[in-house]
Amino acid sequence: QKEVEQDPGPLSVPEGAIVSLNCTYSNSAFQYFMWYRQYSRKGPELLMYTYSSGNKEDGRFTAQVDKSSKYISLFIRDSQPSDSATYLCAMSALDTGRRALTFGSGTRLQVQP
Amino acid sequence: DGGITQSPKYLFRKEGQNVTLSCEQNLNHDAMYWYRQDPGQGLRLIYYSQIVNDFQKGDIAEGYSVSREKKESFPLTVTSAQKNPTAFYLCASSNRVSYNEQFFGPGTRLTVL
Repeated sequence: QKEVEQDPGPLSVPEGAIVSLNCTYSNSAFQYFMWYRQYSRKGPELLMYTYSSGNKEDGRFTAQVDKSSKYISLFIRDSQPSDSATYLCAMSALDTGRRALTFGSGTRLQVQP
Repeated sequence: DGGITQSPKYLFRKEGQNVTLSCEQNLNHDAMYWYRQDPGQGLRLIYYSQIVNDFQKGDIAEGYSVSREKKESFPLTVTSAQKNPTAFYLCASSNRVSYNEQFFGPGTRLTVL
């Protein structure tokens, strides 16, 4: 079983829709939760970064963490064709000496104009 | 402009040959990372370095080697011992303290012929 599970998609939605992207994880030590966006043949870029449980909003993007369920979400409001990309969740534990992230496999999102 | 550069963008190698992938950053980051990305598997950590002249193995270090002689540079050598080297290779860097906020380069796509 992978430490982080993510539905690969593709998820296809019409322009303007609300998008919900999700990850589940098994390691209860994870405290930091990130969402990266990756366009085709490009490097990932950091979208959202949250610590522990709760919500964080940035423009059209909202990240939500439910540590009791080991479940994180990224919501995209008023989705645009330019949001079409692969979205990767990533996580890490408090400083264990291993300064690196554990990634999900990514969900491919297609926003249709 | 501050950022991370990787070269070359595309690389072709014959079986049995070693090849070195370049990664340079001018973000003044202490930590640098190498990930491998395969379809449907997300990013997997190969090696990381928190400081010059020091580096640690990640989850899939076999068949790879690195060096960190300068803060700005973290080259990755894919050796002939790597059984399945065809993949997309991503370099990243971060502040040594805020290691969850990693900035990625554009990637190198390596194909073994």
